[in-house]
Amino acid sequence: SQQGEEDPQALSIQEGENATMNCSYKTSINNLQWYRQNSGRGLVHLILIRSNEREKHSGRLRVTLDTSKKSSSLLITASRAADTASYFCATDAEAAGNKLTFGGGTRVLVKP
Amino acid sequence: NAGVMQNPRHLVRRRGQEARLRCSPMKGHSHVYWYRQLPEEGLKFMVYLQKENIIDESGMPKERFSAEFPKEGPSILRIQQVVRGDSAAYFCASSRGQLTGELFFGEGSRLTVL
Repeated sequence: SQQGEEDPQALSIQEGENATMNCSYKTSINNLQWYRQNSGRGLVHLILIRSNEREKHSGRLRVTLDTSKKSSSLLITASRAADTASYFCATDAEAAGNKLTFGGGTRVLVKP
Repeated sequence: NAGVMQNPRHLVRRRGQEARLRCSPMKGHSHVYWYRQLPEEGLKFMVYLQKENIIDESGMPKERFSAEFPKEGPSILRIQQVVRGDSAAYFCASSRGQLTGELFFGEGSRLTVL
């Protein structure tokens, strides 16, 4: 099964609301990353949080990491229609070798 | 555009034909990763290469699939004797070093097998 599992699988919100999605993983990690994918496009890196960090901000994005619970959350504040996309967490873990392991993603729809 | 370049963006093949997908990494990047994505799913790792070396091919099927990253030219993912189940989007990503941070992705190659 996947190292990273996102929850919820899909999320529909109104413009201006906040969107929160969670990622759980199984093994110890070096870092955890969040990526965004617009329909039919490639993935774009959003933010990286290292295992010794607990929270990170980038613009309207806030990421938290709880290594004791093996979970991370991505919060998008004041969402916009342009935030409509799929969001994936990816883990860099020694147990997984030399690669990032991606979760199944959360599909976010922001209605104008 | 100095980003990761993949071609073709779309490829249609009949069962039994060969598919060749190409990836030119970002300038200065010597590490290439190939991932596969089925509709509405996440990315599944296939293979990790450095110039002239396959570092990790644990996600690549043993038969019909091969990958290379020659000293000169792009990385190639080759699928021989394609079957309908090979229909997917194949993404290439590159990094400067071994997982030194983020991966930079191309726009993907979408393979349809008829």
